[in-house]
Amino acid sequence: NAGVMQNPRHLVRRRGQEARLRCSPMKGHSHVYWYRQLPEEGLKFMVYLQKENIIDESGMPKERFSAEFPKEGPSILRIQQVVRGDSAAYFCASSPTGESGYTFGSGTRLTVV
Amino acid sequence: EDQVTQSPEALRLQEGESSSLNCSYTVSGLRGLFWYRQDPGKGPEFLFTLYSAGEEKEKERLKATLTKKESFLHITAPKPEDSATYLCAVQAQRKLSFGAGTTVTVRA
Repeated sequence: NAGVMQNPRHLVRRRGQEARLRCSPMKGHSHVYWYRQLPEEGLKFMVYLQKENIIDESGMPKERFSAEFPKEGPSILRIQQVVRGDSAAYFCASSPTGESGYTFGSGTRLTVV
Repeated sequence: EDQVTQSPEALRLQEGESSSLNCSYTVSGLRGLFWYRQDPGKGPEFLFTLYSAGEEKEKERLKATLTKKESFLHITAPKPEDSATYLCAVQAQRKLSFGAGTTVTVRA
């Protein structure tokens, strides 16, 4: 039973390019969460999704960021026109119920040059 | 807005020297308090969930306790492999709100 799978592990983008981060939840988990971690800071909530629905996007910047969790396939966090301040580790977590059992992936480390 | 404050920011221990980490929180309608361990370059690894004041949970050298305002993570006789950042998180609405973490270094 594989855990939460995130890819790529490392991603380098030039300013202005697009970044796509993928997250495959654990088998049987239909709730997905995205978090961002800046150096020396804690994990900051970005968005909570269930299959085909965004439940809570209160932590997501209003511009350039979007997330989806389609009926088939992984959840995608998309960052358009990246800037240096987007450099961070992005973690995905999944849960079977949305109430407990949050399991995190190993993260994607985005570097904007 | 939910607030989670962890102290100290960093803790250096000698092997075998027991200590405690603190997590104080302000949240409306606590549904659960979570402790995670995070090693450098990796994702958080689940340790415990506590649901009500007075509850305690143990795992090897770690013991977590919960009151109405704070939680403690006690590390008994730590070993170098216990070196990590320990994260505390509260669940009120349908998400976890994290503290900044306590980085523990255990020297042999």
